[in-house]
Amino acid sequence: GDSVTQMEGPVTLSEEAFLTINCTYTATGYPSLFWYVQYPGEGLQLLLKATKADDKGSNKGFEATYRKETTSFHLEKGSVQVSDSAVYFCALIRGDDKIIFGKGTRLHILP
Amino acid sequence: DSGVTQTPKHLITATGQRVTLRCSPRSGDLSVYWYQQSLDQGLQFLIQYYNGEERAKGNILERFSAQQFPDLHSELNLSSLELGDSALYFCASSVGRGAYGYTFGSGTRLTVV
Repeated sequence: GDSVTQMEGPVTLSEEAFLTINCTYTATGYPSLFWYVQYPGEGLQLLLKATKADDKGSNKGFEATYRKETTSFHLEKGSVQVSDSAVYFCALIRGDDKIIFGKGTRLHILP
Repeated sequence: DSGVTQTPKHLITATGQRVTLRCSPRSGDLSVYWYQQSLDQGLQFLIQYYNGEERAKGNILERFSAQQFPDLHSELNLSSLELGDSALYFCASSVGRGAYGYTFGSGTRLTVV
């Protein structure tokens, strides 16, 4: 069945470091891909999305490119801040609109 | 404020009891989804309603049930509660097929003691 696999955390970085959180997917057809972020004590917020191959989603300095050939949607940010500390979820939506989440990656940014 | 409202924010109850969680979707959204988030299980999809009708079922226990009312708000009923039901319960909504993403509420934290 369809699935999303993302790197296990926690990931700990120093402020201003470069961030990559890997995400790969298995799906039939052409799913839409998403990154959600969950800050402590809050619900999930949509961070960015891409709906077709080679699309790049971007928001708040974060970017991810829909790579069909490698079935990947890695999240990147050039310079992280302490305020980026959160749990990040990669997800896909299939044609039947059911969203499938990865297990989440906890990110800690040290000042 | 995401536009999806969940009440109550926190709930503490005893084993064997029954509780009702409420969700009001974002204005204009017809689909409502319920998720359970626990430390060991991650995000588990429970159930989806679209315009009042059940559309998809996930890992929802028989002790749990849900419905979506004509005004599109939804309720998740949890009965015969067990300690293991302690979790964050999220509601999300989308306009239709959700291809452009869901909008999540801030959740209800249920603690069963």
